[in-house]
Amino acid sequence: EDKVVQSPLSLVVHEGDTVTLNCSYEVTNFRSLLWYKQEKKAPTFLFMLTSSGIEKKSGRLSSILDKKELFSILNITATQTGDSAVYLCCQGGSEKLVFGKGTKLTVNP
Amino acid sequence: KAGVTQTPRYLIKTRGQQVTLSCSPISGHRSVSWYQQTPGQGLQFLFEYFSETQRNKGNFPGRFSGRQFSNSRSEMNVSTLELGDSALYLCASSLYGPVDTEAFFGQGTRLTVV
Repeated sequence: EDKVVQSPLSLVVHEGDTVTLNCSYEVTNFRSLLWYKQEKKAPTFLFMLTSSGIEKKSGRLSSILDKKELFSILNITATQTGDSAVYLCCQGGSEKLVFGKGTKLTVNP
Repeated sequence: KAGVTQTPRYLIKTRGQQVTLSCSPISGHRSVSWYQQTPGQGLQFLFEYFSETQRNKGNFPGRFSGRQFSNSRSEMNVSTLELGDSALYLCASSLYGPVDTEAFFGQGTRLTVV
């Protein structure tokens, strides 16, 4: 069964720090790697990656996929308290998403 | 544009009962997928419907079932509730499916089984 592993499980930083969240996956029918941010209940979409080596960027957030090594990273620069959330990585294949356990990021002022 | 609406938001049921949860997707979205979220297991895929057809199902017992109507609204049903079914149930809608397009999640239904 496909498995997605995220690290670290939790992270506490100060405002202004840069963080890197890791996600490794096992693939049988890989189609996409997605990142979501969950602050309270409803996860919100951040990125979808399908091609290796191409960085996706949105403001201070960026993500890249390595399909050879089967991992992805999510970078957040100049963190703000509003970035505090659980960041979920999931692998898409065969019409279903397999989620990692998430990384809980806490940004202190 | 209205978001994904899940009802009810909170539910308390007794072991052995059954429950039906509802999800109204964003207008124009044909895919609705369901997830169970617990502190121990995280977010787990239950099933996905596209144009009234179930395209895939996760590793859950047959007590968990769902359906989708012609207006894309979806329901999931859990029969013979167990204590371990207590969880946040999330649904998500997307244009072509959560694997290929951005999924928009509802606020969830918090189910407590006592």
